[in-house]
Amino acid sequence: KQEVTQIPAALSVPEGENLVLNCSFTDSAIYNLQWFRQDPGKGLTSLLLIQSSQREQTSGRLNASLDKSSGRSTLYIAASQPGDSATYLCAATGNTPLVFGKGTRLSVIA
Amino acid sequence: DTAVSQTPKYLVTQMGNDKSIKCEQNLGHDTMYWYKQDSKKFLKIMFSYNNKELIINETVPNRFSPKSPDKAHLNLHINSLELGDSAVYFCASSHGAGDNQPQHFGDGTRLSIL
Repeated sequence: KQEVTQIPAALSVPEGENLVLNCSFTDSAIYNLQWFRQDPGKGLTSLLLIQSSQREQTSGRLNASLDKSSGRSTLYIAASQPGDSATYLCAATGNTPLVFGKGTRLSVIA
Repeated sequence: DTAVSQTPKYLVTQMGNDKSIKCEQNLGHDTMYWYKQDSKKFLKIMFSYNNKELIINETVPNRFSPKSPDKAHLNLHINSLELGDSAVYFCASSHGAGDNQPQHFGDGTRLSIL
């Protein structure tokens, strides 16, 4: 059974810092790994999707990497801004439907 | 606006009642989903429909019955509501049932059982 873990549960950084969010999964037989953003009172917004054959995906200041063999993915956010404050969730799709981690709550302090 | 929209946004009702949540997407997707996010913010899939046919049912109690009248709609009916049903319910959609398509989420329906 797939389990997805995200560390840390919460993170607070000053504006302008680069930061890394971590995601680990127990079953490496995944089809893809997705990163989402959730703002308070809102649904999820898909940020990046990495297919199992890929190593990373980039979108603007965001870069997500995938290492299937070690069961890990990271989300790198460059030059963080207060508007990046939100909860970030990763989710793995494989033999089981999309399995989510519990998220990392990010606060970027101006 | 192109989006996944859910109604109502908030739903407060008493234990034992029957209620429905509606979801519509105008993105032209043919796969729709229902997720439950509990008080600890843990998000878990409940159902998935592709072209109006059920393809995923994740051990959800029979009190929950999804209905898809067409590809653009996936409604969720809940019978005999229980306290443990209090949660935020999210609808989502994607293009195709393939595993490499990003899902688009609605803003959620906050269900509170008194």
